[in-house]
Amino acid sequence: DIQMTQSPSSLSASVGDRVTITCRTSQRVSTYVNWYQQKPGKAPNLLIYASSSLRSGVPSRFSGTGSGTDFTLTINSLQPEDFAVYYCQQSYSIPFTFGPGTKVDIK
Amino acid sequence: QVHLVESGGGLVEPGGSLRLSCAASGFIFKDYYMSWIRQAPGKGLEWLSYIDTSSPSIYYADSVKGRFTISRDNAKNSLYLQMNSLRVEDTAIYYCARLPTSSIGSWFDPWGQGTLVTVSS
Repeated sequence: DIQMTQSPSSLSASVGDRVTITCRTSQRVSTYVNWYQQKPGKAPNLLIYASSSLRSGVPSRFSGTGSGTDFTLTINSLQPEDFAVYYCQQSYSIPFTFGPGTKVDIK
Repeated sequence: QVHLVESGGGLVEPGGSLRLSCAASGFIFKDYYMSWIRQAPGKGLEWLSYIDTSSPSIYYADSVKGRFTISRDNAKNSLYLQMNSLRVEDTAIYYCARLPTSSIGSWFDPWGQGTLVTVSS
């Protein structure tokens, strides 16, 4: 199985900050990494697919990069509604696996 | 508007069974792969299973293989998860999700709101 790690596990940031979350896979997965946002009590929502493609309707302050084993989710100019938990996920091979999550909260 | 609604969760004793349903609307259900994903209380996400459009290709996570069965009824626009031999550690919110493309290289979008399964004596 492909193992996923995320760093940091949590971070505190202020509105307007630029936030970067890193995801690493235990083996190369091409660009088959997706990013999800989950708010308390809600289902996850897709933000970025295939490493860098922005889901329709997702604000352009979200962006993703990476290939191989190292991936990054960046939030430019953090907004109040962005405080949530973010998960990466690989779809290169079954079983699909998720990272442990990164909690972004208010400083 | 694409919509997924899970149902069937509840309280069950260890060793018991439960059948979850996921009702799909707003898209041509028979054309899409579907998955079940769960989230234990306060924990991360765990993919459980997926089924292709006409059911010949089905995969499971090792944690549920042999105990859970995924199925679909394209005529009813519905996805199911039959859960047998339930364990305390199966306690979680169970989500259904659509895969917009074939499984490898795809992603989960959208997700249902989830249904809570509690396994306890």
